[in-house]
Amino acid sequence: KAGVTQTPRYLIKTRGQQVTLSCSPISGHRSVSWYQQTPGQGLQFLFEYFSETQRNKGNFPGRFSGRQFSNSRSEMNVSTLELGDSALYLCASSVLAGSADTQYFGPGTRLTVL
Amino acid sequence: DQQVKQNSPSLSVQEGRISILNCDYTNSMFDYFLWYKKYPAEGPTFLISISSIKDKNEDGRFTVFLNKSAKHLSLHIVPSQPGDSAVYFCAANTGFQKLVFGTGTRLLVSP
Repeated sequence: KAGVTQTPRYLIKTRGQQVTLSCSPISGHRSVSWYQQTPGQGLQFLFEYFSETQRNKGNFPGRFSGRQFSNSRSEMNVSTLELGDSALYLCASSVLAGSADTQYFGPGTRLTVL
Repeated sequence: DQQVKQNSPSLSVQEGRISILNCDYTNSMFDYFLWYKKYPAEGPTFLISISSIKDKNEDGRFTVFLNKSAKHLSLHIVPSQPGDSAVYFCAANTGFQKLVFGTGTRLLVSP
């Protein structure tokens, strides 16, 4: 079974621009979560979607948004990019909807904001 | 407020010996814990998990121990191999698939 895929793998943007990242979960997985990894803050939870509904959100500004489609694929969008948004953005999927479930991560999208 | 802590930023072990990575958490409501292995610029790879109803879970060379009273868990790797060299993250599932991660421990296994 194919793993979680993320596109693009690398992205360079300038301040003020917006960006959209895409994630395709493992087949059959309905929950998709997004995380940001930076050297200073580590791995931080952004939001989680299940059946096209955002069920949980981390402590990030409203410039960070996401959505999930009926086929469970998900996108996240960052508007008005800032230098501090440079990070590795990770998507993870899981099959169940409860708390005792394992998330499987994709390879990530490396975003550089200049 | 760091809810999941990995106090050792690095650990060096010789090949064939045991590696023990430690993790502490603050919230007694956490009931599911996971360990991930990560290489730079890649996504974390799931290793092993444990539910709070257990105190031990084994999978091959990997064993996770959970001490609920101490709010402490540990990952044992026996025997350690050079290919195990990576950063290891402990995480707690806080509900609705929100994982809270520790800061990671860099493991170096030397031949």
